[in-house]
Amino acid sequence: DGGITQSPKYLFRKEGQNVTLSCEQNLNHDAMYWYRQDPGQGLRLIYYSQIVNDFQKGDIAEGYSVSREKKESFPLTVTSAQKNPTAFYLCASSIRFEGEKTQYFGPGTRLLVL
Amino acid sequence: GESVGLHLPTLSVQEGDNSIINCAYSNSASDYFIWYKQESGKGPQFIIDIRSNMDKRQGQRVTVLLNKTVKHLSLQIAATQPGDSAVYFCAESGSGGYQKVTFGTGTKLQVIP
Repeated sequence: DGGITQSPKYLFRKEGQNVTLSCEQNLNHDAMYWYRQDPGQGLRLIYYSQIVNDFQKGDIAEGYSVSREKKESFPLTVTSAQKNPTAFYLCASSIRFEGEKTQYFGPGTRLLVL
Repeated sequence: GESVGLHLPTLSVQEGDNSIINCAYSNSASDYFIWYKQESGKGPQFIIDIRSNMDKRQGQRVTVLLNKTVKHLSLQIAATQPGDSAVYFCAESGSGGYQKVTFGTGTKLQVIP
Protein backbone atom coordinates (compact mmCIF):
# COMPACT_ATOMS: atom_id res chain seq x y z
CA ASP A 1 0.00 0.00 0.00
CA GLY A 2 1.99 2.96 -1.31
CA GLY A 3 1.64 6.46 0.01
CA ILE A 4 2.74 9.16 2.38
CA THR A 5 2.30 8.82 6.11
CA GLN A 6 2.51 11.56 8.70
CA SER A 7 2.56 11.17 12.45
CA PRO A 8 1.23 12.03 14.86
CA LYS A 9 -2.21 13.21 13.73
CA TYR A 10 -2.32 15.71 16.60
CA LEU A 11 0.68 17.17 18.42
CA PHE A 12 0.78 19.47 21.42
CA ARG A 13 3.65 21.81 22.08
CA LYS A 14 4.55 23.51 25.31
CA GLU A 15 6.18 26.91 25.40
CA GLY A 16 9.90 26.72 24.63
CA GLN A 17 9.70 23.15 23.40
CA ASN A 18 10.92 21.77 20.08
CA VAL A 19 8.68 19.19 18.45
CA THR A 20 9.28 16.94 15.44
CA LEU A 21 6.70 15.94 12.86
CA SER A 22 7.32 12.73 10.96
CA CYS A 23 6.84 12.23 7.21
CA GLU A 24 7.55 8.95 5.43
CA GLN A 25 6.89 7.96 1.81
CA ASN A 26 7.26 4.63 0.03
CA LEU A 27 6.57 6.00 -3.45
CA ASN A 28 10.28 6.18 -4.35
CA HIS A 29 9.85 9.92 -4.97
CA ASP A 30 12.95 12.08 -5.14
CA ALA A 31 11.40 15.34 -3.95
CA MET A 32 9.65 16.06 -0.68
CA TYR A 33 8.01 19.19 0.72
CA TRP A 34 6.59 20.64 3.92
CA TYR A 35 3.69 23.08 3.87
CA ARG A 36 1.80 24.97 6.49
CA GLN A 37 -1.95 25.51 6.12
CA ASP A 38 -3.80 28.22 7.99
CA PRO A 39 -7.54 28.98 7.72
CA GLY A 40 -8.43 30.95 4.60
CA GLN A 41 -4.92 30.81 3.15
CA GLY A 42 -3.27 28.80 0.44
CA LEU A 43 -0.56 26.32 1.33
CA ARG A 44 2.72 28.00 2.22
CA LEU A 45 6.03 26.25 1.58
CA ILE A 46 8.29 25.80 4.60
CA TYR A 47 11.10 23.61 3.26
CA TYR A 48 11.71 21.36 0.30
CA SER A 49 14.19 18.67 -0.62
CA GLN A 50 15.14 17.80 -4.18
CA ILE A 51 17.04 14.68 -3.28
CA VAL A 52 18.45 12.88 -0.27
CA ASN A 53 20.95 14.89 1.80
CA ASP A 54 19.73 18.14 0.24
CA PHE A 55 17.12 20.64 1.41
CA GLN A 56 16.28 24.29 0.77
CA LYS A 57 14.30 26.97 2.57
CA GLY A 58 10.86 27.79 1.29
CA ASP A 59 8.86 30.96 1.84
CA ILE A 60 8.38 30.67 5.61
CA ALA A 61 11.36 28.67 6.92
CA GLU A 62 12.06 30.76 10.04
CA GLY A 63 11.56 28.75 13.20
CA TYR A 64 11.64 25.41 11.40
CA SER A 65 14.35 22.87 10.55
CA VAL A 66 14.44 19.68 8.48
CA SER A 67 16.72 16.80 7.56
CA ARG A 68 16.78 14.37 4.64
CA GLU A 69 19.07 11.52 5.61
CA LYS A 70 16.99 8.90 3.82
CA LYS A 71 15.01 9.10 0.60
CA GLU A 72 11.89 7.91 2.38
CA SER A 73 11.95 10.32 5.31
CA PHE A 74 11.71 14.11 5.68
CA PRO A 75 11.06 15.08 9.33
CA LEU A 76 10.17 18.66 10.25
CA THR A 77 11.17 20.18 13.59
CA VAL A 78 9.18 23.14 14.86
CA THR A 79 11.55 25.01 17.13
CA SER A 80 10.83 27.34 20.02
CA ALA A 81 11.78 30.20 17.69
CA GLN A 82 8.52 29.70 15.77
CA LYS A 83 6.21 32.04 17.67
CA ASN A 84 2.96 31.08 15.99
CA PRO A 85 3.19 27.34 15.36
CA THR A 86 -0.50 26.47 15.60
CA ALA A 87 -1.43 25.20 12.13
CA PHE A 88 -2.10 22.13 10.00
CA TYR A 89 1.18 20.80 8.60
CA LEU A 90 1.22 18.90 5.33
CA CYS A 91 4.02 16.84 3.86
CA ALA A 92 4.08 16.11 0.13
CA SER A 93 6.27 14.32 -2.37
CA SER A 94 6.71 14.31 -6.13
CA ILE A 95 8.48 11.95 -8.50
CA ARG A 96 11.01 14.58 -9.45
CA PHE A 97 11.81 18.11 -8.47
CA GLU A 98 11.96 19.81 -11.84
CA GLY A 99 9.41 20.09 -14.57
CA GLU A 100 5.77 19.18 -14.25
CA LYS A 101 5.32 17.69 -10.88
CA THR A 102 2.17 16.50 -9.26
CA GLN A 103 2.62 16.66 -5.52
CA TYR A 104 0.95 13.97 -3.45
CA PHE A 105 0.09 14.80 0.12
CA GLY A 106 0.07 13.01 3.42
CA PRO A 107 -2.87 13.14 5.86
CA GLY A 108 -1.42 16.05 7.84
CA THR A 109 -0.48 16.80 11.45
CA ARG A 110 -2.35 19.40 13.48
CA LEU A 111 -0.04 21.21 15.88
CA LEU A 112 -1.55 22.91 18.90
CA VAL A 113 0.14 25.02 21.55
CA LEU A 114 -0.60 24.36 25.23
CA GLY B 1 -14.32 19.56 12.45
CA GLU B 2 -11.06 21.11 11.30
CA SER B 3 -10.77 24.78 10.46
CA VAL B 4 -9.43 24.41 6.91
CA GLY B 5 -12.73 25.51 5.36
CA LEU B 6 -13.25 28.74 7.34
CA HIS B 7 -13.47 32.06 5.49
CA LEU B 8 -13.63 30.39 2.08
CA PRO B 9 -16.14 31.05 -0.68
CA THR B 10 -18.83 28.40 -0.53
CA LEU B 11 -20.75 26.73 -3.33
CA SER B 12 -23.94 24.93 -2.35
CA VAL B 13 -25.27 22.39 -4.83
CA GLN B 14 -28.20 20.01 -4.79
CA GLU B 15 -27.28 16.34 -4.93
CA GLY B 16 -27.38 15.14 -8.53
CA ASP B 17 -26.76 18.57 -10.03
CA ASN B 18 -23.51 19.57 -11.74
CA SER B 19 -20.98 21.73 -9.87
CA ILE B 20 -18.62 24.28 -11.36
CA ILE B 21 -15.71 25.53 -9.26
CA ASN B 22 -13.60 28.37 -10.59
CA CYS B 23 -10.01 29.43 -10.13
CA ALA B 24 -8.22 32.51 -11.42
CA TYR B 25 -4.45 32.34 -11.69
CA SER B 26 -2.05 35.24 -11.96
CA ASN B 27 1.16 33.96 -13.56
CA SER B 28 0.92 33.99 -17.34
CA ALA B 29 4.05 31.79 -17.44
CA SER B 30 2.26 28.96 -15.62
CA ASP B 31 1.71 26.02 -17.89
CA TYR B 32 0.74 23.16 -15.62
CA PHE B 33 -2.37 23.13 -13.44
CA ILE B 34 -3.75 20.72 -10.87
CA TRP B 35 -7.01 20.43 -8.96
CA TYR B 36 -7.02 19.04 -5.43
CA LYS B 37 -9.85 17.97 -3.13
CA GLN B 38 -9.41 18.35 0.62
CA GLU B 39 -11.87 16.84 3.05
CA SER B 40 -12.09 18.20 6.56
CA GLY B 41 -9.08 17.22 8.66
CA LYS B 42 -7.35 15.38 5.81
CA GLY B 43 -4.57 16.03 3.33
CA PRO B 44 -5.33 17.21 -0.22
CA GLN B 45 -6.05 14.53 -2.83
CA PHE B 46 -5.06 14.88 -6.48
CA ILE B 47 -8.11 15.01 -8.76
CA ILE B 48 -6.97 15.96 -12.24
CA ASP B 49 -4.29 17.96 -14.01
CA ILE B 50 -4.01 19.80 -17.31
CA ARG B 51 -1.14 21.19 -19.36
CA SER B 52 -1.33 24.52 -21.11
CA ASN B 53 -1.37 22.94 -24.57
CA MET B 54 -4.86 21.66 -23.78
CA ASP B 55 -8.07 23.54 -23.02
CA LYS B 56 -10.09 20.62 -21.71
CA ARG B 57 -9.43 17.36 -19.99
CA GLN B 58 -11.90 14.82 -18.68
CA GLY B 59 -11.70 12.32 -15.89
CA GLN B 60 -14.26 10.22 -14.11
CA ARG B 61 -17.18 12.62 -13.44
CA VAL B 62 -14.78 15.58 -13.56
CA THR B 63 -13.77 17.94 -16.34
CA VAL B 64 -11.16 20.68 -16.15
CA LEU B 65 -11.35 23.65 -18.52
CA LEU B 66 -8.45 26.02 -19.08
CA ASN B 67 -8.78 29.48 -20.60
CA LYS B 68 -5.28 30.89 -20.93
CA THR B 69 -6.53 34.15 -22.45
CA VAL B 70 -8.20 35.20 -19.22
CA LYS B 71 -6.06 33.01 -16.93
CA HIS B 72 -9.00 31.02 -15.70
CA LEU B 73 -9.40 27.40 -14.71
CA SER B 74 -12.58 25.58 -13.82
CA LEU B 75 -13.48 22.18 -12.41
CA GLN B 76 -16.80 20.67 -13.35
CA ILE B 77 -18.20 17.81 -11.31
CA ALA B 78 -21.06 15.88 -12.88
CA ALA B 79 -23.93 14.48 -10.83
CA THR B 80 -22.57 15.82 -7.56
CA GLN B 81 -22.75 13.42 -4.64
CA PRO B 82 -22.60 13.98 -0.85
CA GLY B 83 -19.09 12.50 -0.87
CA ASP B 84 -17.97 15.38 -3.07
CA SER B 85 -18.40 17.81 -0.17
CA ALA B 86 -14.93 19.21 0.49
CA VAL B 87 -12.66 22.17 -0.18
CA TYR B 88 -11.35 22.26 -3.74
CA PHE B 89 -8.29 24.25 -4.72
CA CYS B 90 -6.19 24.69 -7.80
CA ALA B 91 -2.44 24.77 -8.11
CA GLU B 92 -0.28 26.25 -10.86
CA SER B 93 3.34 25.90 -11.84
CA GLY B 94 5.68 26.09 -14.78
CA SER B 95 7.16 23.01 -16.35
CA GLY B 96 10.73 23.96 -17.19
CA GLY B 97 13.46 23.64 -14.59
CA TYR B 98 12.44 24.30 -11.03
CA GLN B 99 9.10 26.06 -10.87
CA LYS B 100 7.42 26.92 -7.61
CA VAL B 101 3.93 25.53 -7.19
CA THR B 102 1.38 28.16 -6.13
CA PHE B 103 -1.77 26.97 -4.42
CA GLY B 104 -5.09 28.80 -4.39
CA THR B 105 -7.07 29.33 -1.20
CA GLY B 106 -9.92 27.08 -2.26
CA THR B 107 -13.70 26.87 -2.56
CA LYS B 108 -15.86 24.92 -0.17
CA LEU B 109 -18.41 22.69 -1.92
CA GLN B 110 -21.49 21.79 0.11
CA VAL B 111 -23.77 19.14 -1.35
CA ILE B 112 -27.36 19.32 -0.21
CA PRO B 113 -28.96 15.86 -0.01
